[in-house]
Amino acid sequence: DAGVTQSPTHLIKTRGQQVTLRCSPISGHKSVSWYQQVLGQGPQFIFQYYEKEERGRGNFPDRFSARQFPNYSSELNVNALLLGDSALYLCASSLAGGMNYGYTFGSGTRLTVV
Amino acid sequence: DQQVKQNSPSLSVQEGRISILNCDYTNSMFDYFLWYKKYPAEGPTFLISISSIKDKNEDGRFTVFLNKSAKHLSLHIVPSQPGDSAVYFCAASDRLGGSQGNLIFGKGTKLSVKP
Repeated sequence: DAGVTQSPTHLIKTRGQQVTLRCSPISGHKSVSWYQQVLGQGPQFIFQYYEKEERGRGNFPDRFSARQFPNYSSELNVNALLLGDSALYLCASSLAGGMNYGYTFGSGTRLTVV
Repeated sequence: DQQVKQNSPSLSVQEGRISILNCDYTNSMFDYFLWYKKYPAEGPTFLISISSIKDKNEDGRFTVFLNKSAKHLSLHIVPSQPGDSAVYFCAASDRLGGSQGNLIFGKGTKLSVKP
């Protein structure tokens, strides 16, 4: 069984550019959440999507956006990149939106903004 | 201000002994707590969780204790094994508040288990 897959694994972008990160959840999982982990910190919640609708949004600027597709895969977009956006971006999937089902995380996309 | 705090950045334990990782929280609305383990170049892996209606949950070598009055939880690993060496994250959620998708993580504790 494939776990949560994220692409690309590594990415280098220049300040001001835009980036799209992709996530495929575990088969059958309908909820996808995105987290940002900067060095030395724990993951910080960005978005949750369930059944293609946004269910939650963390304290991130409007430069961050996401969507979920009919096949439950998801994309995270970040516009006008800043140096501070350099981080590990984690995608997590679960059967439903609630905590009872637990989350499975992907290995993440390491974004470096130069 | 951090709502979930792991005040020990690192912990070193001898193989076979007990590892105790601690976590404190400030938000009394948190009703569900989780521990994740993270190896380098991998995503966090779910270990064990506990609901606020319980004070203990056990799964094999892993036990989580919750002290609601102190807003404190701990993860006990007995016996510790070298393969347990990783960064451990404590996370909390306010499910009843509707933020089901929002896990609040601590900064993590790096556990080193020495043979």
